[in-house]
Amino acid sequence: SQQGEEDPQALSIQEGENATMNCSYKTSINNLQWYRQNSGRGLVHLILIRSNEREKHSGRLRVTLDTSKKSSSLLITASRAADTASYFCATPSNDYKLSFGAGTTVTVRA
Amino acid sequence: EAGVAQSPRYKIIEKRQSVAFWCNPISGHATLYWYQQILGQGPKLLIQFQNNGVVDDSQLPKDRFSAERLKGVDSTLKIQPAKLEDSAVYLCASSLVGTGMGNTIYFGEGSWLTVV
Repeated sequence: SQQGEEDPQALSIQEGENATMNCSYKTSINNLQWYRQNSGRGLVHLILIRSNEREKHSGRLRVTLDTSKKSSSLLITASRAADTASYFCATPSNDYKLSFGAGTTVTVRA
Repeated sequence: EAGVAQSPRYKIIEKRQSVAFWCNPISGHATLYWYQQILGQGPKLLIQFQNNGVVDDSQLPKDRFSAERLKGVDSTLKIQPAKLEDSAVYLCASSLVGTGMGNTIYFGEGSWLTVV
C-alpha cells in the first residue's frame, strides 16, 4: 500500500497565485521528499525535509513537516505556467524503499 | 553530468508478446530502481538493485517480469508475455546509495508501453 497520499488530487490556479498541496503518511519516517513530473517526462527531485526539520525553503518552494500529524505541505508561491505538473510526495517505508503517493496535478492558467 | 538513460522511449506491442527495456544509470550510482507508473497513479517500485544484487523485488510479477543488472551498471527489464494491464510508463532511476537516509533518486524519462 502507498505510504504517502497527496491532497487535493487536482488543483487549478491563476498565474501568480500560490498553490498548496498536502501529503499524509502512515508510519514514522526519517525524511520526506517532494518530486515534480511534467507531462510525459520523468520525475524530478524538488526538496527533501528531514524528520528533525519543520520547514524548508528552496526558491519559490516552501515545505513544512509535522511529524505529530504525519503530514507535510508543499507551497509554490507566485506560480508560473511552467509549474503546471504533477507533484508527488515520497517517503521511505523502511531503510531502502521509497514509496510515492498518487500525486497532485497542478494546472496554472495564464 | 549525464542523466539516467532509458530506451526505447515508446513501444506498442500486442498482448502475449515480449518486450525489453534498457536503462543506463548515472555513473557511480550503486542503487538502481525500476518503477511502474500507470496513468493517473504514482510510481510503484518493481525492483531495486544495490550494485548487481537485488534488494527488493516484492512487487515484481515474477511470472512475467524479469530484471537483471549485469556488472552492477546497466539494467534490463523484460516482460514476457505482456498483458493489457502492463500498459504503463516504466521508469528507471538511480541513486548513490539507498534512499533510507534521504538520498535523492534521479529518474530517467521513462519507457512508455502500450499493450493492445
